[in-house]
Amino acid sequence: KNEVEQSPQNLTAQEGEFITINCSYSVGISALHWLQQHPGGGIVSLFMLSSGKKKHGRLIATINIQEKHSSLHITASHPRDSAVYICAVMVGGAQKLVFGQGTRLTINP
Amino acid sequence: NAGVTQTPKFQVLKTGQSMTLQCAQDMNHEYMSWYRQDPGMGLRLIHYSVGAGITDQGEVPNGYNVSRSTTEDFPLRLLSAAPSQTSVYFCASRTPGGAGETQYFGPGTRLLVL
Repeated sequence: KNEVEQSPQNLTAQEGEFITINCSYSVGISALHWLQQHPGGGIVSLFMLSSGKKKHGRLIATINIQEKHSSLHITASHPRDSAVYICAVMVGGAQKLVFGQGTRLTINP
Repeated sequence: NAGVTQTPKFQVLKTGQSMTLQCAQDMNHEYMSWYRQDPGMGLRLIHYSVGAGITDQGEVPNGYNVSRSTTEDFPLRLLSAAPSQTSVYFCASRTPGGAGETQYFGPGTRLLVL
């Protein structure tokens, strides 16, 4: 079993829909990162979380340390949000990131 | 700042050939790392460095060497390329100690080994 599991693996929605991507992990962590990989391949960091909730524009990320679970929400989704969203955890005490397999999101106009 | 740069963007090798993937950053980050990304799998750590002169192995180090002679540069060497090394390679950097630090990724190098 992977240490970081994302669901769903693929998600297709219509423009304007509320999107939720989930990430569960099985190890102790010091932080959790959400990343976005564009169709061209570039990877950008969206959020780093160690507790609670963060918001940036239409993106919201939450984490529940006790449940070992994080969610990424996109409100009022737009075709430009189409990308692969990757969850990664910083394993507690280590300097290394462990990545989920990614969720491929497609927003249709 | 240019951020994290990688060269080349695309490379085709024959089995047994060697090559070096270049990575440089201009943000004075101590921590640098190399990942490979394969279809259906998450990014996997190959090697990492916490500062000049210090490197360590990640999850999938076999067939790769690294060195860190300067803070800016972290090249990845394929000693004898194999088809299993066909992948997309990403270099990344961040400040150390850093549960909370933003990860900066290079644009990637797409490698095909025939």
